[in-house]
Amino acid sequence: SQKIEQNSEALNIQEGKTATLTCNYTNYSPAYLQWYRQDPGRGPVFLLLIRENEKEKRKERLKVTFDTTLKQSLFHITASQPADSATYLCAPSLGGYSTLTFGKGTMLLVSP
Amino acid sequence: GAGVSQSPSNKVTEKGKDVELRCDPISGHTALYWYRQSLGQGLEFLIYFQGNSAPDKSGLPSDRFSAERTGGSVSTLTIQRTQQEDSAVYLCASSLGGGVYGYTFGSGTRLTVV
Repeated sequence: SQKIEQNSEALNIQEGKTATLTCNYTNYSPAYLQWYRQDPGRGPVFLLLIRENEKEKRKERLKVTFDTTLKQSLFHITASQPADSATYLCAPSLGGYSTLTFGKGTMLLVSP
Repeated sequence: GAGVSQSPSNKVTEKGKDVELRCDPISGHTALYWYRQSLGQGLEFLIYFQGNSAPDKSGLPSDRFSAERTGGSVSTLTIQRTQQEDSAVYLCASSLGGGVYGYTFGSGTRLTVV
């Protein structure tokens, strides 16, 4: 069955450093992969989408990579800030009108 | 509206009662999704509406759960004869449809069954 793995342990980093979060998937050939941010008590917020034929996508301090051979996406936040503290979810998509399946997310804690 | 609106934000109900949860999607979004999130768990897909097509109900956990979408806009998720294991945050999202578009989520309805 399709499986999405994100590190369940929280990632603690210091302000100003680069945070790197990992999303691995198995039994999947997604056409797209989306990343979301979720704050406590709120719904997830869409951040970025990367297509299978794109190796890398950037948006401000965010960078996403997509390696279809390794079946992995990496999500980077450069120059991290305490306001970046949240849970980050990855969601591979098969494309078309298929629904998203979300990973359980990794909590990021950025300390001043 | 500017975002996806869900009501109520919190609902406490007694075991065995029926509940209705409402979702107002973004105007013009053809796709509407319901997910639920239990404490410390990931998002679990429930049901998906796309335009006038028959909904994808493959995620509904039992026949106590049903949903409808009227006029291609507002959706209601109904849970009959609630059980304690139904306690969770129920999230609604809408999108322009298809995997290339991100979902816009509401803030959810926190359901507690006592």
